[in-house]
Amino acid sequence: QSALTQPASVSGSPGQSITISCTGTSSDVGGYNYVSWYQQHPGKAPKLMIYEVSNRPSGVPDRFSGSKSGNTASLTISGLQAEDEADYYCSSYTSSSTVVFGGGTKLTVL
Amino acid sequence: QVQLQESGPGLVKPSQTLSLTCTVSGGSISSGSYYWSWIRQPAGKGLEWIGRIYTSGSTNYNPSLKSRVTISVDTSKNQFSLKLSSVTAADTAVYYCARDTEFPPNYYGMDVWGQGTTVTVSS
Repeated sequence: QSALTQPASVSGSPGQSITISCTGTSSDVGGYNYVSWYQQHPGKAPKLMIYEVSNRPSGVPDRFSGSKSGNTASLTISGLQAEDEADYYCSSYTSSSTVVFGGGTKLTVL
Repeated sequence: QVQLQESGPGLVKPSQTLSLTCTVSGGSISSGSYYWSWIRQPAGKGLEWIGRIYTSGSTNYNPSLKSRVTISVDTSKNQFSLKLSSVTAADTAVYYCARDTEFPPNYYGMDVWGQGTTVTVSS
């Protein structure tokens, strides 16, 4: 299985909004509403931020939102804050009953 | 509050088998519709899904690792384990265990993670 495609890096200023894309195929992202997003700070374990494309677990700020169109999912962070600076990974369930991650995106808050 | 903790050797010799255990605390490994997963991350690189096991014992593996991976569960010890055979330097990584929550038709993602354990493959 091939990794989902994410931009290597994105950046934004505090208060702004940014969007991270995650492109797969009809066998993963496009075929299921089982896309998740994870935030990872340096030296820490990943943290679930979004599940089922657009749902937030309890405790995740509503500044984080997700969407999907065709084979591409997106994570949008509005009102950027310094603590949002981290690596972000998307993942998807696949038609082979496996899970595949994206390559990761480094978010820099300027 | 379920917590996960990885344990195992930090150094493995090339061609040998890497063995790690994840201990589940704060809840029973047998309760609920949970998959128990292994993920790894080489230094400075992205996450790679290794595989997962359901409480019934059914497994799913990353096709690229399937020939070398075995994931098992020991409900009596509230643990699940990873074995990766014939390791090389390319298997050097931080290894995470995670709970993968699925209540069909809903999938809630990997909502609980261990802190990770570093495994180095070197002679």
